[in-house]
Amino acid sequence: DVKVTQSSRYLVKRTGEKVFLECVQDMDHENMFWYRQDPGLGLRLIYFSYDVKMKEKGDIPEGYSVSREKKERFSLILESASTNQTSMYLCASAGPLGEKLFFGSGTQLSVL
Amino acid sequence: QKEVEQNSGPLSVPEGAIASLNCTYSDRVSQSFFWYRQYSGKSPELIMSIYSNGDKEDGRFTAQLNKASQYVSLLIRDSQPSDSATYLCAVSSGQAGTALIFGKGTTLSVSS
Repeated sequence: DVKVTQSSRYLVKRTGEKVFLECVQDMDHENMFWYRQDPGLGLRLIYFSYDVKMKEKGDIPEGYSVSREKKERFSLILESASTNQTSMYLCASAGPLGEKLFFGSGTQLSVL
Repeated sequence: QKEVEQNSGPLSVPEGAIASLNCTYSDRVSQSFFWYRQYSGKSPELIMSIYSNGDKEDGRFTAQLNKASQYVSLLIRDSQPSDSATYLCAVSSGQAGTALIFGKGTTLSVSS
């Protein structure tokens, strides 16, 4: 059974903290994605990676960075967390064309 | 700016009725089209994909594509309360190294 695992289901951080969200997939997928989802705004792409050490900005990359040192792991980093980064964060992976996405269960991040 | 548009709903139908969900997209070169279902508090999951004009049926679900009109739809026959969810339309250029573009989703409510 395919699996995308996000390290935390709920996370509470303080403003200014550096936050790491981890995602691991076991499907040997080339593509990995980070989205945030907010009520009324839908899924918004933050960053994606189509290969190890490669990254592409999505629609809302400001305030975020990513790391992909190994094929199976894609990390999202909030350099200095702010309250407007409180959101549900969803990681996904997909095969060569990046089309059929498998999502992790999400991390609800609250920044206080 | 490439866009995917959906009515946010809620779309309310009685049990046993046909639910019709619609989606339009702006990028004429889009090649691949997907419907994801997201239950409240859960992650999106892929339920249908369609690549060529016409209809594609899978059980109670039928996806319809009209590239000339830049229009995709999802029909759910014999709707059940368990179909109550948000349905996300997603569009791809079909090229490696690119990401899906998601609509904001339509919320469907099926009443028993």
